[in-house]
Amino acid sequence: ETGVTQSPTHLIKTRGQQVTLRCSSQSGHNTVSWYQQALGQGPQFIFQYYREEENGRGNFPPRFSGLQFPNYSSELNVNALELDDSALYLCASSLGAASGNTIYFGEGSWLTVV
Amino acid sequence: AQSVTQLDSQVPVFEEAPVELRCNYSSSVSVYLFWYVQYPNQGLQLLLKYLSGSTLVKGINGFEAEFNKSQTSFHLRKPSVHISDTAEYFCAVSRDGGGSNYKLTFGKGTLLTVNP
Repeated sequence: ETGVTQSPTHLIKTRGQQVTLRCSSQSGHNTVSWYQQALGQGPQFIFQYYREEENGRGNFPPRFSGLQFPNYSSELNVNALELDDSALYLCASSLGAASGNTIYFGEGSWLTVV
Repeated sequence: AQSVTQLDSQVPVFEEAPVELRCNYSSSVSVYLFWYVQYPNQGLQLLLKYLSGSTLVKGINGFEAEFNKSQTSFHLRKPSVHISDTAEYFCAVSRDGGGSNYKLTFGKGTLLTVNP
């Protein structure tokens, strides 16, 4: 149990739709990162939020966007869904954005695009 | 940029046997190294990490890993595995000193299957 909670756990969307995934970070953690894990692959970094500002982004198109709120919870939004967006989306939180800090992962949100 | 190669996609072993999961990395800068475990339908759990100091790192559940800078490797070992160790294991790196942008780069994972 890491204290990082994600919702929903599973959802199915149609190609072209939009989706919002939510994450509550571990208490006191001010940094949230999002990762995409396709079936049979390792997680890939989407972006990081630190104190409500985007603090780094991986190789994902602009239709992947996010927010971090004053309580440090976060949302991941994906517009114009494509079939290849089907994956496990993992949220991770840490205290501070410094490399080397231990980050704690939630159990993920499984997104299926049909 | 950093990259991680996990040399074995699947490793089957018998219970109580030793196991080694191999990881090599590539980076033009100093890195931190991590091993994570993922049980079926769950998120990732940190097993251990190397930041600096002793190259032999001990983690949870009896796992340990050794950082070898000359061979750019960070292999994970356990002297005696249990059925409950069956899971996917991921090696990951992050840039040393990346204070304002902390991201993990993961390998593709190694599925460890422990058979009775």
